[in-house]
Amino acid sequence: KAGVTQTPRYLIKTRGQQVTLSCSPISGHRSVSWYQQTPGQGLQFLFEYFSETQRNKGNFPGRFSGRQFSNSRSEMNVSTLELGDSALYLCASSLWTSGGASIYEQYFGPGTRLTVT
Amino acid sequence: LAKTTQPISMDSYEGQEVNITCSHNNIATNDYITWYQQFPSQGPRFIIQGYKTKVTNEVASLFIPADRKSSTLSLPRVSLSDTAVYYCLVGLTIFGAGTRLFVKA
Repeated sequence: KAGVTQTPRYLIKTRGQQVTLSCSPISGHRSVSWYQQTPGQGLQFLFEYFSETQRNKGNFPGRFSGRQFSNSRSEMNVSTLELGDSALYLCASSLWTSGGASIYEQYFGPGTRLTVT
Repeated sequence: LAKTTQPISMDSYEGQEVNITCSHNNIATNDYITWYQQFPSQGPRFIIQGYKTKVTNEVASLFIPADRKSSTLSLPRVSLSDTAVYYCLVGLTIFGAGTRLFVKA
């Protein structure tokens, strides 16, 4: 079974530009989460989508947005890029969550390395 | 809001058992605890997940006390290839800062 794929793997942008990153989850997985990883802040949760609906959102400014399509593929967008947005952006997919008690074995993609100059 | 704390680094020798503890005092009732392994330039890899008591799979064990305010990842008989950074994740949103494990020959 193919794993989580993320495109592009590497990206260089300049301040003020906007960027769109793509994530294709494992076939059959309906939940997609995004994380930002930096040396200073570690792994930080951005948002989670399930069946095209955003269910959770981390503490990031509105410049960070995302969406999920009917085939569970997801994109995240960062507008008006800042130098501090340079990071590894990771996408993870999981099969499902069950009612009030969450059960989610997440599988991560290799990430997109974004450099803002 | 839950906050997690892990040791920054640990050293071990091949063949030893390694225990890494994560404290999460404000864990929510619904949150599961998951541990990941990460190598440089790769995404985190799932190791084990649990809610309470003990969970064991083919690569690790996870111990969670009744109050669920901490969890301990146990790696039996580590090898050089286990040198990596290990993260605990509480729920979906709160990652620990990671523990860098260095296994020596």
